[in-house]
Amino acid sequence: QKEVEQDPGPLSVPEGAIVSLNCTYSNSAFQYFMWYRQYSRKGPELLMYTYSSGNKEDGRFTAQVDKSSKYISLFIRDSQPSDSATYLCAMIPNTGTASKLTFGTGTRLQVTL
Amino acid sequence: GAGVSQSPSNKVTEKGKDVELRCDPISGHTALYWYRQSLGQGLEFLIYFQGNSAPDKSGLPSDRFSAERTGGSVSTLTIQRTQQEDSAVYLCASSLAGQRGETQYFGPGTRLLVL
Repeated sequence: QKEVEQDPGPLSVPEGAIVSLNCTYSNSAFQYFMWYRQYSRKGPELLMYTYSSGNKEDGRFTAQVDKSSKYISLFIRDSQPSDSATYLCAMIPNTGTASKLTFGTGTRLQVTL
Repeated sequence: GAGVSQSPSNKVTEKGKDVELRCDPISGHTALYWYRQSLGQGLEFLIYFQGNSAPDKSGLPSDRFSAERTGGSVSTLTIQRTQQEDSAVYLCASSLAGQRGETQYFGPGTRLLVL
């Protein structure tokens, strides 16, 4: 079983919809939680970063971390066609190699007109 | 400013050949990472360099894989005697100081196809 599980999708939604993306994890040492966005044939770019539990909002994006359930979410409001990409969750533990990211497999999102 | 650059963008090779992949990190970044992205596998950590410290090689899948970082800047990932299962996108990332939770900036990747 992988340390981080993520539904690969694809997920197709109409423009303007609210999108919910999720990851579950098994390692209770994970303390830093990120969401990366990856456009086709490009490298991932950091979208959201959360330390420990709680919520973080940035424009149309909200990241939530529930450490008790080992579950993280990314919500996208008023989705746009330009949001069509693969979304990867990533985590770092509070011990071991400082910045060794453990990724989910990524969820491919398609926002249609 | 310039981001992380990687070369070549694409590489097609025959099984058994050696390949070298290059990464130029963001200027001033002391930490450099290599990841591999395979279909259905997500990104897998390969190796991490931080300053003059010994690299963390814990993610290298076999002894056919090696990497070096010269002068604390450019890095080369070498795969010897390539196998078809080595086909993947190889991504390089850099960060300012390698601190826990620090933002990693990724390059566009090298797409390797082993025939």
